[in-house]
Amino acid sequence: GENVEQHPSTLSVQEGDSAVIKCTYSDSASNYFPWYKQELGKRPQLIIDIRSNVGEKKDQRIAVTLNKTAKHFSLHITETQPEDSAVYFCAANNQAGTALIFGKGTTLSVSS
Amino acid sequence: NAGVTQTPKFQVLKTGQSMTLQCAQDMNHNSMYWYRQDPGMGLRLIYYSASEGTTDKGEVPNGYNVSRLNKREFSLRLESAAPSQTSVYFCASSEGLGGQETQYFGPGTRLLVL
Repeated sequence: GENVEQHPSTLSVQEGDSAVIKCTYSDSASNYFPWYKQELGKRPQLIIDIRSNVGEKKDQRIAVTLNKTAKHFSLHITETQPEDSAVYFCAANNQAGTALIFGKGTTLSVSS
Repeated sequence: NAGVTQTPKFQVLKTGQSMTLQCAQDMNHNSMYWYRQDPGMGLRLIYYSASEGTTDKGEVPNGYNVSRLNKREFSLRLESAAPSQTSVYFCASSEGLGGQETQYFGPGTRLLVL
């Protein structure tokens, strides 16, 4: 079945460092790849997404890259700040485009 | 706009009891979703409704039923609760198909089954 693998499960960085989270997906028909951030005790919220016709997308300190041939995509956060500490989920859509399959999440801790 | 709302916020059930989790959105979205979140397991899709009048199974539908009452409301029912259903339940909605657009999540319902 459709599957999204996410690594690492936990990531600790110093404030100001960069953080990278990687995901792979199984369904070659997937064409939409969002990233959600969930702060402790809060709801998940979209932070950035990318579609299959684009290789890279940036929004201030965050960027996402997509390699469709290898079926993997990554989230890059530069100049990390303590408020970046959260759980990050990647996702890919199903073949019908009706739903998302989420990765298991990465807990990012940024220490000052 | 309240966005996506869920009731209750927290519930304790005994094994075998039934309950319905309520979800409503005021964004005139077409698609609605129910997820469960367990530690280390991410967000797993239980059921979804791509449009009013339709519902489909997700990854983990066993033990649950849903009703898309109207465009605004999408409820999740546990007929006979089991300890394995202890989880945090999130409802979400999207304007179009949730596999193509941003999904907006509710605040979650924390369910404990004893």
